[in-house]
Amino acid sequence: SQELEQSPQSLIVQEGKNLTINCTSSKTLYGLYWYKQKYGEGLIFLMMLQKGGEEKSHEKITAKLDEKKQQSSLHITASQPSHAGIYLCGAFVPGTYKYIFGTGTRLKVLA
Amino acid sequence: DAGVIQSPRHEVTEMGQEVTLRCKPISGHDYLFWYRQTMMRGLELLIYFNNNVPIDDSGMPEDRFSAKMPNASFSTLKIQPSEPRDSAVYFCASIGVSWGPMSEQYFGPGTRLTVT
Repeated sequence: SQELEQSPQSLIVQEGKNLTINCTSSKTLYGLYWYKQKYGEGLIFLMMLQKGGEEKSHEKITAKLDEKKQQSSLHITASQPSHAGIYLCGAFVPGTYKYIFGTGTRLKVLA
Repeated sequence: DAGVIQSPRHEVTEMGQEVTLRCKPISGHDYLFWYRQTMMRGLELLIYFNNNVPIDDSGMPEDRFSAKMPNASFSTLKIQPSEPRDSAVYFCASIGVSWGPMSEQYFGPGTRLTVT
């Protein structure tokens, strides 16, 4: 079965620092989604990547999908306390209508 | 649209009691998903529906859990009898008719269930 592994599991950074979160799939991805979850709240969609080598940006967050479509990274530039939360990658399992999610990365940004 | 609506937001119950969680998907969405989130296991898919029909319930932990979708605008997740290990945050999510690799899920705010 397909699995998504995220690293690191948790991250504490000083405000203004850059950081990267990784998501690795055991199988080829046909669409990789990044979500953010604030503590105690639901998930908010950030962006979706579909093509190998694709890169998308939204404000200070950039996500990339590697050429082999098995790994994605989420990069935050000049982090702010508002970036704090849990970041999850998700994917559609080919041949099914299931979504699976990564293990999550807890981010804390110190002011 | 108000987004995906879940109720209650918080539920505290005693072991052995029946618990019913409710979800109203976004109007026009034809897929509905129920998830459970815990620290130990992360976000797990329990069951999903397409046009009110359950498609895959392989994630439902055991017979104590059941889910229904009597119409396009309402779904319930029931636990009977509840146990302390059922304590978690339960999320409902929905997707529109263009669902596929191009579509994202819209999540409700979740129901935090505590079973004592």
